[in-house]
Amino acid sequence: DVVLTQTPVSLLISLGGQASISCRSSQSLVHSNGNTYLHWYLQKPGQSPQLLIYQVSNRFSGIPDRFSGSGSGTDFTLKISRVEPEDLGVYYCLQRTHNPNTFGAGTKLELK
Amino acid sequence: EVQLVESGGGLVQPGRSMKLSCAASGFTFSSFPMAWVRQAPTKGLEWVATISTSGGSTYYRDSVKGRFTISRDNAKSTLYLQMNSLRSEDTATYYCTRGPYNSGDFDYWGQGVMVTVSS
Repeated sequence: DVVLTQTPVSLLISLGGQASISCRSSQSLVHSNGNTYLHWYLQKPGQSPQLLIYQVSNRFSGIPDRFSGSGSGTDFTLKISRVEPEDLGVYYCLQRTHNPNTFGAGTKLELK
Repeated sequence: EVQLVESGGGLVQPGRSMKLSCAASGFTFSSFPMAWVRQAPTKGLEWVATISTSGGSTYYRDSVKGRFTISRDNAKSTLYLQMNSLRSEDTATYYCTRGPYNSGDFDYWGQGVMVTVSS
């Protein structure tokens, strides 16, 4: 199975600050069709996960441009600028290039 | 508005069965692959199973293969997960999620339903 390693495990950020989360894959996430099915989610406390970024760098509907995704191959990053209280929770990366689909273990974003 | 509403969870004894349902609305259900993702208490997310638009293709994680069956009724816009021979390690919140072909993500999620396997 593809292992997604997220770092850091937790982040303490001040309001208005910037956060960066890494997701490294044990193998390339480039599909045979040329697409890279690496996505990012936020799970706020007591809620279901919500899609933030799909296919590495595309913001989902309604997601502010404070969220950005980048990367290629096996190395991906989610950046959150101007952190707001509503950004707190656990961030997960997900790969759907290979079966079984796998998630990273999560990164908890907390306020300093 | 896309809505996914799960039901059917609860407490069940090890070795018994349970069937989850997910009622979909706000989109053309028959046009989207669907999936179940679970989350054990205080743990991360784990993909369980995916089904194609027609139901003709299904995919499972190894730990549930042969015990769980994902199915759908496109006429009723409903997704199912039949869970047999339940084990304590199946205890989790189960989420129904939509998985569009073009973007290859899970874009909308239900609120989740809790399944507790315990004697």
